[in-house]
Amino acid sequence: EPEVTQTPSHQVTQMGQEVILRCVPISNHLYFYWYRQILGQKVEFLVSFYNNEISEKSEIFDDQFSVERPDGSNFTLKIRSTKLEDSAMYFCASSSGTGGGNQHFGDGTRLSIL
Amino acid sequence: AQKITQTQPGMFVQEKEAVTLDCTYDTSDQSYGLFWYKQPSSGEMIFLIYQGSYDEQNATEGRYSLNFQKARKSANLVISASQLGDSAMYFCAMREGRGLTGGGNKLTFGTGTQLKVEL
Repeated sequence: EPEVTQTPSHQVTQMGQEVILRCVPISNHLYFYWYRQILGQKVEFLVSFYNNEISEKSEIFDDQFSVERPDGSNFTLKIRSTKLEDSAMYFCASSSGTGGGNQHFGDGTRLSIL
Repeated sequence: AQKITQTQPGMFVQEKEAVTLDCTYDTSDQSYGLFWYKQPSSGEMIFLIYQGSYDEQNATEGRYSLNFQKARKSANLVISASQLGDSAMYFCAMREGRGLTGGGNKLTFGTGTQLKVEL
């Protein structure tokens, strides 16, 4: 069964540094998402992406964040000038938009800011 | 108001017994979808079951069923014949409306229920 893959599985970065989280969505999916989960808390929506542009973003997704689909397969989340509170699990998800809009999640990238 | 409410932070169930995890939701949309995901201690998010707002039958997937009561805005997950491997965090989530991009709208999650299956 096709799956969403995320790299790296764990990223440790110094505060103030830039980090790029990478995702390869399922190949025939059209909608892409980033969510984050701070340790012990619920999963929060960050941004959705469709037709090569952001379709919706949350208040968390401020100017520090950006997303890109640089080629036909990758979907990236860039966090500029990371802060301690950016430490979280970041999930990428994709959906075909049919079948109720079920989103398939990757295994996540655990981001630790020191 | 919370869009998704899971009132049980933790639940215990004996192996082979059935367990119900509660979820209530709040939306003014007529078209929406309800999802349950399982998150084991390893951290990944595993899709379990989906219920559309227009579906008249309760969804079932193997040992999982969704008790959908639209008038009460509840979408409880029932796990039958619990197994030790069912021990995990369970999240209820909702997709509201269909929007301009069809079914691609975001999911809103509840705070989760930590289920522990005991021998």
